[in-house]
Order: sequence, then structure tokens, then C-alpha cells
Amino acid sequence: AQRVTQPEKLLSVFKGAPVELKCNYSYSGSPELFWYVQYSRQRLQLLLRHISRESIKGFTADLNKGETSFHLKKPFAQEEDSAMYYCALSNAAGNKLTFGGGTRVLVKP
Amino acid sequence: EAQVTQNPRYLITVTGKKLTVTCSQNMNHEYMSWYRQDPGLGLRQIYYSMNVEVTDKGDVPEGYKVSRKEKRNFPLILESPSPNQTSLYFCASSLAGPRMGEQFFGPGTRLTVL
Repeated sequence: AQRVTQPEKLLSVFKGAPVELKCNYSYSGSPELFWYVQYSRQRLQLLLRHISRESIKGFTADLNKGETSFHLKKPFAQEEDSAMYYCALSNAAGNKLTFGGGTRVLVKP
Repeated sequence: EAQVTQNPRYLITVTGKKLTVTCSQNMNHEYMSWYRQDPGLGLRQIYYSMNVEVTDKGDVPEGYKVSRKEKRNFPLILESPSPNQTSLYFCASSLAGPRMGEQFFGPGTRLTVL
């Protein structure tokens, strides 16, 4: 069975400070990892996926297969980064998506 | 506008009264899925559909039914709702399965079962 764990329910940081959201997964096959974000009053949307290896809105995430982690990082948080963030894993068959419990990020001025 | 729509957005009902939540997408997507969101548990997949007439169980299918008679629609049916099905429900769609690309989410349906 596949599982995604986000140990932090809430992260509160000051504007300009670095922020790191932790994500650990459990899956025996070859996973595809994603970060989805939900801003206030907006729909859940894709932030980034590991296979694209790109930086979106200053966020990056590295897949560490040895530690089974896919942590999301941003060196300088902005107030508009305040949102709910979900780490998600798709199975090798590509038909299921498993989400973590989510981390709420609050960026204070 | 390309989007996923859900109806109703809010629903309060009583135990045992059958209900259907509709989901429709206008992007010609093959894949559609239903999730429920509960505090601390994130989103959990209820059912998914890889194409018309092809549906399968997700992680929490008990108490739910779905159908996919047309490509654009994927209704979620609760034959006999119970209070533990009180939740926020999201429908999503994508061109292919979730591994291949972005899932587009609907606005959510908040269901309360008394």
C-alpha cells in the first residue's frame, strides 16, 4: 500500500525566511511525486512534480529515494505563499493518487 | 472556460436519504476521480475512472457508487448516507492518469449528513 506522511500540520514563518515542508512516502514501486497547493478561496492546483525538476514560484523539491522523502523548499518565503500544501504520490500504474494530510503555511509580515 | 464543475456546492441531508453529487468537465479528459477531504487526513481517493464505462475503487469506496456513462460526467452516488460521510468532496480530472499530468480539481461539495 502506498502512503504519504506530512509531519507538520502548521508551519509559521516570517516573510523572507526560508521554509521547508517535509514529505515522506512509503511505496514499493517507482513513485511519481507531486506537490499540490490550495490558496484561500481557490481550487486545489498543482505546484510542481518531481519529474519536471523545475522551480515554480521559487519552490523546489528533490526526490530522495534513499530517505523516501520529497521535501518542498523555498529560500525566501513571501506572504502570498500562505496556503495549504499537499504532497501526493501516484502509483506505477498511474491510476491512483495518494495525498498526505497537508501542511498549512502561514507567512507573517 | 476549461473547468471542472460540481453540484451542489453545499448539501445538508439526513441519514438514509439517497443523494447524487454531479461532476462535469469540459476538457475532454479521460481520467476522473472523486476524493473526500477530512481534517488531518488530507484527501482520500474514493473512486476513479480511466475512461467511459471503466471505474475502479480508490482507498475509501465503502458507501459510495459511481458511474461513467459519458466522458464528461462522473456522478458520485450515496445510496444510504450516514453521518460518517459528512465531509468535503472534490472531483478531479486529467488528460490521462494522475501520474502523467496535472489533476484539475472542482470547487468542492460540502456534505453534512444528520
